[in-house]
Amino acid sequence: GAGVSQSPSNKVTEKGKDVELRCDPISGHTALYWYRQSLGQGLEFLIYFQGNSAPDKSGLPSDRFSAERTGGSVSTLTIQRTQQEDSAVYLCASSRPQASGNTIYFGEGSWLTVV
Amino acid sequence: EDQVTQSPEALRLQEGESSSLNCSYTVSGLRGLFWYRQDPGKGPEFLFTLYSAGEEKEKERLKATLTKKESFLHITAPKPEDSATYLCAVQAEGGSYIPTFGRGTSLIVHP
Repeated sequence: GAGVSQSPSNKVTEKGKDVELRCDPISGHTALYWYRQSLGQGLEFLIYFQGNSAPDKSGLPSDRFSAERTGGSVSTLTIQRTQQEDSAVYLCASSRPQASGNTIYFGEGSWLTVV
Repeated sequence: EDQVTQSPEALRLQEGESSSLNCSYTVSGLRGLFWYRQDPGKGPEFLFTLYSAGEEKEKERLKATLTKKESFLHITAPKPEDSATYLCAVQAEGGSYIPTFGRGTSLIVHP
């Protein structure tokens, strides 16, 4: 596609429910990233995929968070038993790795509100 | 550990009043430094990538420069539509492609 596509754009869920957030990267981009941005805060790294494998999961805040990527394309971030502190914008980005600095391009984000 | 510090946190300008935003970074070896613009409720929009000290890039009223310790985003004669949060990120040499972001500078340009 022309850009990184994320869905849903907005999600309101009840505390304790599970949510799935989807990211469709730019065609041909092998690297995919998930970040979280809380209100007024900076971007917090969650997980990075190179193809279908996730060499770095260090940013996932707890074992309630998981992510997968299939076919080297679409990725799903799953949050189980959501808590109010999970409320944030979840941003997905993708890039084509280069030898010297790969620019990452972001989607518009999925706004999650846990009530 | 890679670190990125942006200053000021917030900046208010009058239309036409030029200024600069700062991004100071600490990284073992720089693969690339990125500037993004983020509007409220939107994802970050890519502006520039800088690779080596001395490099400069321009786009309309924006010019980004890079030294071995910091980068500046110069805004010349800003307009109200330049109001946004500007984010800086660095990518270190080595195996990881994961950029580290600063907390951003919130810019408001008054007409």
